Amino acid sequence: EVQLVESGGGLVKPGSSLKLSCVASGFTFSSYGMHWIRQAPKKGLEWIALIYYDSSNKYYADSVKGRFTISRDNSKNTLYLEMNSLRSEDTAMYYCANGYWDYWGQGVMVTVSS
Amino acid sequence: DIQMTQSPSSLPASLGDRVTITCRASQDIGNYLRWFQQKPGKSPRLMIYGATNLAAGVPSRFSGSRSGSDYSLTISSLESEDMADYYCLQSKESPWTFGGGTKLELK
Repeated sequence: EVQLVESGGGLVKPGSSLKLSCVASGFTFSSYGMHWIRQAPKKGLEWIALIYYDSSNKYYADSVKGRFTISRDNSKNTLYLEMNSLRSEDTAMYYCANGYWDYWGQGVMVTVSS
Repeated sequence: DIQMTQSPSSLPASLGDRVTITCRASQDIGNYLRWFQQKPGKSPRLMIYGATNLAAGVPSRFSGSRSGSDYSLTISSLESEDMADYYCLQSKESPWTFGGGTKLELK
């Protein structure tokens, strides 16, 4: 069974940093690109980052470019999202998804508030 | 950036109705269009990929179509379990962009 399990969320103050993880199982993680997507409370979906299967290419939404870094460790079947200089507008549920968009994690909540 | 304009934002409908949700792409995306269903408190679920292909396990009452730059998701006969939010996504190029969403609700 394919599983993607996010962790690392929480309540942080503006300007803080946080690192999310997404652990994959049930498929060959090292063969797939991986996305991070977020959804602010009662809002729509927003794609924020993609990393290729071999980390050779990374893409970011303008809203997070320069503040967030996507990475992966294929030996640990784990995807990461390092988030710096967090703002209130980064408050959202964060999901990881595989490159074909057919598997999603359950999401992890990040709240940025003073 | 490619903009995806989704309509309607809200769609009241009755059980058994045929309903259609549409996304218009601001640039050519070919068939790089996916549809997702999201129920409250749940992760999105892939319903359609390649504009017209049914994802695994999706009931056959769902279908996707394309006419030029307009992409549609149709449910042929609405069931109660279909009440959810629906989103389109263009996956042709970065930044990948979602439509604004459609809330499908009982009339």
